[in-house]
Amino acid sequence: GDSVTQMEGPVTLSEEAFLTINCTYTATGYPSLFWYVQYPGEGLQLLLKATKADDKGSNKGFEATYRKETTSFHLEKGSVQVSDSAVYFCALSPDYKLSFGAGTTVTVRA
Amino acid sequence: DVKVTQSSRYLVKRTGEKVFLECVQDMDHENMFWYRQDPGLGLRLIYFSYDVKMKEKGDIPEGYSVSREKKERFSLILESASTNQTSMYLCASSPPGQGKYEQYFGPGTRLTVT
Repeated sequence: GDSVTQMEGPVTLSEEAFLTINCTYTATGYPSLFWYVQYPGEGLQLLLKATKADDKGSNKGFEATYRKETTSFHLEKGSVQVSDSAVYFCALSPDYKLSFGAGTTVTVRA
Repeated sequence: DVKVTQSSRYLVKRTGEKVFLECVQDMDHENMFWYRQDPGLGLRLIYFSYDVKMKEKGDIPEGYSVSREKKERFSLILESASTNQTSMYLCASSPPGQGKYEQYFGPGTRLTVT
């Protein structure tokens, strides 16, 4: 079945460092891909999405590109802030259901 | 903005109790979902509903049931709570035919079964 694998955490960074969280997927067909973020004590929020190959999703300085040839959707941010500390989930959706990765905890230190 | 609310943020129940978790969305969404979130496992789908009174099992439905009597409300029921159901429970909703298919999440209910 469809599945998502994302890099394990936790990841600890200093402010203004570059962040990459790897995500690869297995799917039949052409799913949409998502990154969700969960701040401490809150539910999940959609961070960005891409619906077809070569699409780039972006939001709040984060970017991810849908790479069909490598079945990847890696999340990047050039300069992180303390407020980016959260759990990040990669997810795919072939239809109206979502399959999530295990989540990556990111902590940014001042 | 879409708003998904859950009846409790924290809940403590005893083993064997019947537990109701309520979820309400205010955007007239057809699809609603219940997940549980456990460390290292991500989110796992328990049940979803694509219309009033319609439901389908997700990946881990055992020990749970659901009810959707009105479009805006989706309830998760633990018929006889057990300690292995201690978890964070997240409700979500989505409209059909949009964004294939982003979901909007509530704040979660952290359930502890003792």
